[in-house]
Amino acid sequence: GDSVTQMEGPVTLSEEAFLTINCTYTATGYPSLFWYVQYPGEGLQLLLKATKADDKGSNKGFEATYRKETTSFHLEKGSVQVSDSAVYFCALYNNNDMRFGAGTRLTVKP
Amino acid sequence: DGGITQSPKYLFRKEGQNVTLSCEQNLNHDAMYWYRQDPGQGLRLIYYSQIVNDFQKGDIAEGYSVSREKKESFPLTVTSAQKNPTAFYLCASSIKLGPGELFFGEGSRLTVL
Repeated sequence: GDSVTQMEGPVTLSEEAFLTINCTYTATGYPSLFWYVQYPGEGLQLLLKATKADDKGSNKGFEATYRKETTSFHLEKGSVQVSDSAVYFCALYNNNDMRFGAGTRLTVKP
Repeated sequence: DGGITQSPKYLFRKEGQNVTLSCEQNLNHDAMYWYRQDPGQGLRLIYYSQIVNDFQKGDIAEGYSVSREKKESFPLTVTSAQKNPTAFYLCASSIKLGPGELFFGEGSRLTVL
């Protein structure tokens, strides 16, 4: 079945550091790909998405590019802030099924 | 403001008791979902509903039950048959079943004593 694998955390960075959280997927056909973010004590909220190969999703300084050749959707941000501390989930939607990765906890220190 | 409201936020239950978690949405969404979140694991789908009076089992439906009598409401009952019910439960909705955005509630944390 379809699945999502994302890098294990936790990830700890200093403010203004560069962030990469790796995400790879296994799926038949052409899934849609998502990054969701969960701030402490809250539910998940959509951060960005991409629906076809080579699409780039972006929001709040975060970016991810749908790479079909490497089946990847890595999340990047050039300069993180303390307020970016959260758990980030990679997800895919395919054949009426949404699959989430295990989540990566990011802590940004001032 | 439109959104999804889950209640209660925290719930304690003794072994052998059933408990019902509430989920209400005012987004006029057709599809609703229940997920379970455990530390170090992704979200796992318990049940989903794409329309009133219809619902389908997800990956881990055993020990859970749902109903969808109204478009706005999708309550989840954790029964005594669920072997390991202590977890964080998230309700979500989307306009329709499909690759669109999921909107999540703030979650309910259930602890079995």
